[in-house]
Amino acid sequence: AQSVTQLDSHVSVSEGTPVLLRCNYSSSYSPSLFWYVQHPNKGLQLLLKYTSAATLVKGINGFEAEFKKSETSFHLTKPSAHMSDAAEYFCVVTIDSRNQFYFGTGTSLTVIP
Amino acid sequence: NAGVTQTPKFQVLKTGQSMTLQCAQDMNHEYMSWYRQDPGMGLRLIHYSVGAGITDQGEVPNGYNVSRSTTEDFPLRLLSAAPSQTSVYFCASSYRAGSTDTQYFGPGTRLTVL
Repeated sequence: AQSVTQLDSHVSVSEGTPVLLRCNYSSSYSPSLFWYVQHPNKGLQLLLKYTSAATLVKGINGFEAEFKKSETSFHLTKPSAHMSDAAEYFCVVTIDSRNQFYFGTGTSLTVIP
Repeated sequence: NAGVTQTPKFQVLKTGQSMTLQCAQDMNHEYMSWYRQDPGMGLRLIHYSVGAGITDQGEVPNGYNVSRSTTEDFPLRLLSAAPSQTSVYFCASSYRAGSTDTQYFGPGTRLTVL
């Protein structure tokens, strides 16, 4: 069985401070992991993905995530938050050949000026 | 490329009515899928297709039908709408079946069932 848990439903940071959005997963197999972002009233856009290559993955807009197998985590970070980062973020897990993606419940990021 | 398009953007139905949500992609993608998004629950997979003529059920398929007669189109049918189907629906596609490919999402359809 697979599942993904996003540990915070809401995160608030001040502009210019670091962002940490936490994601833990459970999977019986080697997973692929993704972070997607959804701006208000928009569709979802891929930020980054891990597919068993380098454990530190760099994405768009300065985001990155580190796959830690021992901790079953895939936390999303950014050194300095920008106002445009305010959005909903989803952690997604899947395994090869299963063709099914499992979404976390989302983390809403607020950036305070 | 238009990417993934969905119609309509908004829809209000009465209980028991039927309708079809349209989804099309012009990227020659093999894999297409439908999700519903409900507050506090993330996105849940309804149905998916790994190619024309092939469909399969996802996590929450009850009350929905799909077909894939062409590579480009993947309509979602509600045969008898229920208030529990009030949600935002997203269609997505990726180049090939297989879970490492990036999914591209449409803008969504907001459905209200009264």
